[in-house]
Amino acid sequence: QKEVEQNSGPLSVPEGAIASLNCTYSDRGSQSFFWYRQYSGKSPELIMSIYSNGDKEDGRFTAQLNKASQYVSLLIRDSQPSDSATYLCAPPSSTNAGKSTFGDGTTLTVKP
Amino acid sequence: NAGVTQTPKFQVLKTGQSMTLQCAQDMNHNSMYWYRQDPGMGLRLIYYSASEGTTDKGEVPNGYNVSRLNKREFSLRLESAAPSQTSVYFCASSARDDSGNTIYFGEGSWLTVV
Repeated sequence: QKEVEQNSGPLSVPEGAIASLNCTYSDRGSQSFFWYRQYSGKSPELIMSIYSNGDKEDGRFTAQLNKASQYVSLLIRDSQPSDSATYLCAPPSSTNAGKSTFGDGTTLTVKP
Repeated sequence: NAGVTQTPKFQVLKTGQSMTLQCAQDMNHNSMYWYRQDPGMGLRLIYYSASEGTTDKGEVPNGYNVSRLNKREFSLRLESAAPSQTSVYFCASSARDDSGNTIYFGEGSWLTVV
């Protein structure tokens, strides 16, 4: 079982809608999470980090962490075609017993 | 800032040939990583180096070797390339492996083995 599981995609939303991306994780000790965005043919880049229970907002992006449920999510409001990418969820430790802890990613397509 | 620089960006190899992917970071990071990403797949860790002087196997190390030459540089060598090693390779670095530091990725190296 992977340490981080992401909701299977692909996810398609119309422009202007809210896109919801989710992760569940197995390590109850995880205190923070990171969301990376990867455009097709490009490398992943960090877009959000959340270090405590609750919500963190940054522009159109809101990250939510629920430690009790071991659940983290990323909401994208007013989705734009430029948000079309694969979103990767990652816990604070990038490796665990020699394995990458990145989730496999959810591919989002925002249709004009 | 250059960040993480990896070379070459594109390479075509014949089966059985060897090559080295070079990676350097200028952020004074302790930890460095090599990942491969196959089409439509997630990142799989090949090798990592938590600090200068140490290297550890990741989940898919077979057919690869690494060298942490110094704090800045972490190279990945394919000794005898196989078609199954056709992939995109990402080098990455972070301040530390276990403390929630951002991972910074290079731009990727597209490798095709024919």
